[in-house]
Amino acid sequence: GENVEQHPSTLSVQEGDSAVIKCTYSDSASNYFPWYKQELGKRPQLIIDIRSNVGEKKDQRIAVTLNKTAKHFSLHITETQPEDSAVYFCAAQEAGGTSYGKLTFGQGTILTVHP
Amino acid sequence: ETGVTQTPRHLVMGMTNKKSLKCEQHLGHNAMYWYKQSAKKPLELMFVYNFKEQTENNSVPSRFSPECPNSSHLFLHLHTLQPEDSALYLCASSLTLDTQYFGPGTRLTVL
Repeated sequence: GENVEQHPSTLSVQEGDSAVIKCTYSDSASNYFPWYKQELGKRPQLIIDIRSNVGEKKDQRIAVTLNKTAKHFSLHITETQPEDSAVYFCAAQEAGGTSYGKLTFGQGTILTVHP
Repeated sequence: ETGVTQTPRHLVMGMTNKKSLKCEQHLGHNAMYWYKQSAKKPLELMFVYNFKEQTENNSVPSRFSPECPNSSHLFLHLHTLQPEDSALYLCASSLTLDTQYFGPGTRLTVL
């Protein structure tokens, strides 16, 4: 099955700096890669996603890049703000066979943005 | 934030109790999921239902019993749980096994 590794486990930045979180996956058949943000005591919320036919996607201060050959994808947050502080999870979705629609999550990154 | 709802939000139960968690989605989705979120662990997929049919059981112990009477409702029946089952149980839904949207979760404590 799919295995997703996420780094770093904790990340501390100053307000205005950029933050980068990286994930690797093992199954070359995976074709959908969402990123979720989970604030303390709240539900995971989708912030951006990318599919395997695209190398990069951007939404305002958030961008995701995908390298299919190397099987890794990254979340980039620019001009960080204190409200960006949360746990961020990457995930990879298996395609085909009996695992269709199954999301495998990374371990999560605790991002702290200091004012 | 009302697309996927879960009840109860908090539950404390003894190891001999029987309880049920409920999830309801108002998004017109056809797939529903149960996840377990423990401290310092990744989100763990438990079950997947697509058009009411179970398509995934991720080696979950039989003390957890899911039920999906229709595409809008999902239950997780709990019986004879262990303290290590204490966790946040999250429900999610999606359209055609695509992007998943999560409910607020049920914080379960097993004494």
